[in-house]
Amino acid sequence: GEEVAQTPKHLVRGEGQKAKLYCAPIKGHSYVFWYQQVLKNEFKFLISFQNENVFDETGMPKERFSAKCLPNSPCSLEIQATKLEDSAVYFCASSQSGVFIAEAFFGQGTRLTVV
Amino acid sequence: QKEVEQDPGPLSVPEGAIVSLNCTYSNSAFQYFMWYRQYSRKGPELLMYTYSSGNKEDGRFTAQVDKSSKYISLFIRDSQPSDSATYLCAMSLIIQGAQKLVFGQGTRLTINP
Repeated sequence: GEEVAQTPKHLVRGEGQKAKLYCAPIKGHSYVFWYQQVLKNEFKFLISFQNENVFDETGMPKERFSAKCLPNSPCSLEIQATKLEDSAVYFCASSQSGVFIAEAFFGQGTRLTVV
Repeated sequence: QKEVEQDPGPLSVPEGAIVSLNCTYSNSAFQYFMWYRQYSRKGPELLMYTYSSGNKEDGRFTAQVDKSSKYISLFIRDSQPSDSATYLCAMSLIIQGAQKLVFGQGTRLTINP
């Protein structure tokens, strides 16, 4: 597709439940990035992929967060046992290059609310 | 101290005014400097990026980078109500061979007709 498609747009989970978010990158883009935007617009880098391989996972809270990008499937970000502080908008971006990130295009985000 | 500091505003100006948005940073390793516009409940949209110190102009927008002062600016001339959005500065950094963006907090801008 010509845009990064994120689903669902909104997700509400009770504390302790699992949350799974999906991202379909722009066709032909090899790199996918996940960011978490919390209150006051703070963007936090989580993880990036080059095709199905993890490129950089230095931002991932590994205890409860996991992510995958499998061939012919949307990428996914999964949060096990959600906590209140996981409430945020999760953005996915895709890029042809993993180095020149200025060319990354963002999806519209998934708003996760943990209650 | 955050790596990138940006005044969150809000900033409200009348239509037609010149808007100045600024960010400071602490890490001299940053290589690319970007400005994103984010409308409410939308993803960030890249406006401009620069690599070196100096000015870069694109229509009504001018991006300015001063590496010696670790200071970047975005100027919007002849501001329009449609420019009302949150503006995020972002800077790229290479860590362990991978480049990632570090965002500022964003400035919420309102242009009043």
